[in-house]
Amino acid sequence: QKEVEQDPGPLSVPEGAIVSLNCTYSNSAFQYFMWYRQYSRKGPELLMYTYSSGNKEDGRFTAQVDKSSKYISLFIRDSQPSDSATYLCAMSVQGGSEKLVFGKGTKLTVNP
Amino acid sequence: EAGVAQSPRYKIIEKRQSVAFWCNPISGHATLYWYQQILGQGPKLLIQFQNNGVVDDSQLPKDRFSAERLKGVDSTLKIQPAKLEDSAVYLCASSPDMVWNEQFFGPGTRLTVL
Repeated sequence: QKEVEQDPGPLSVPEGAIVSLNCTYSNSAFQYFMWYRQYSRKGPELLMYTYSSGNKEDGRFTAQVDKSSKYISLFIRDSQPSDSATYLCAMSVQGGSEKLVFGKGTKLTVNP
Repeated sequence: EAGVAQSPRYKIIEKRQSVAFWCNPISGHATLYWYQQILGQGPKLLIQFQNNGVVDDSQLPKDRFSAERLKGVDSTLKIQPAKLEDSAVYLCASSPDMVWNEQFFGPGTRLTVL
């Protein structure tokens, strides 16, 4: 079993839809959780990060962490064509020197 | 603020040849990372530098890959000899002093090994 599992999709939605992206993980020691957005032929850019369990909201984006289920989610409200990208979840045991473990990424297309 | 710079952007080589990638991190960032991203996969950390010292190289195939960060600024990643399975995008990232939530990635070098 891989440490981080993420459905690669692809996922195609109409503009304005609510998008739900998810990852599961097996290492219960993970405490730091991140979502990266990667446009085609670009490097990943950090979208949101959370520490431990709970929700975090930033504009149209909401990140959720459920440590009891080892499950994290990213919700995108009022999705836009500019949100079309690959979304990668990443996590680490501790901040700083501990390496990030990434999921495979989910390719999202928002159709106008 | 200029971002992380990488060159070349694309490279095509034959198997068993050698290749080198260059990275210039964001000015003042002490920590530098090299990741390998195979098509359809997430990035995998190859090596992490703090200034010019190695913090983690546990996933670097040391029989063929090497990396250095002279003077704690620019870094070079080398593969010698290359194998078909090394075809991937090599991403460089930097962060200010191992701050986990502030890793900034460069555009990557896309390597194709024929």
